[in-house]
Amino acid sequence: DTEVTQTPKHLVMGMTNKKSLKCEQHMGHRAMYWYKQKAKKPPELMFVYSYEKLSINESVPSRFSPECPNSSLLNLHLHALQPEDSALYLCASSQDTSGLTDTQYFGPGTRLTVL
Amino acid sequence: AQSVTQPDIHITVSEGASLELRCNYSYGATPYLFWYVQSPGQGLQLLLKYFSGDTLVQGIKGFEAEFKRSQSSFNLRKPSVHWSDAAEYFCAVLRGGTYKYIFGTGTRLKVLA
Repeated sequence: DTEVTQTPKHLVMGMTNKKSLKCEQHMGHRAMYWYKQKAKKPPELMFVYSYEKLSINESVPSRFSPECPNSSLLNLHLHALQPEDSALYLCASSQDTSGLTDTQYFGPGTRLTVL
Repeated sequence: AQSVTQPDIHITVSEGASLELRCNYSYGATPYLFWYVQSPGQGLQLLLKYFSGDTLVQGIKGFEAEFKRSQSSFNLRKPSVHWSDAAEYFCAVLRGGTYKYIFGTGTRLKVLA
């Protein structure tokens, strides 16, 4: 089974709201990723967790706050977002080979709209 | 500079016709290469990958890809396209030791009935 689940599927929020995106995998993977994808573009890496520790932050604004409570779960907390943050947010996971041969498996994404 | 190029932004083929999507990479070390497919509003699904060994790789949904080191290419092929293959296709190379993919810009496939 190579399934990564994400909730919610769609999210609409105002610029003053606080919301969270959730990602879950039960493949025993120890690396988890957050990506942002704008229309007609490839995904852009935001964060990487390796063994529940934040390994990579691609200079993402602090209004995005990731959290990895355990090896199966990954959250992305959102606060004071801007309309330009509207995008498809993708979660992925991989076995964690220190990034040497990691094959990433993606979830279906959360479509975020910021009003 | 490390990069992945997908020269074709859009490709249109008739259902039942053969398909080849091009991918060229620029990477100094041994490349780990992937093809993903994305239907509208969905996540990316792994079609196939190449790490080493046989340069012709079989994937899901009847796709295959051939790694050609001399041409720095990893083209995706399918002998007979189905209408459900209409989607965006991304080629990617893993930057070894970094967890980071370098993605191509994608090729949008349209299938005519």
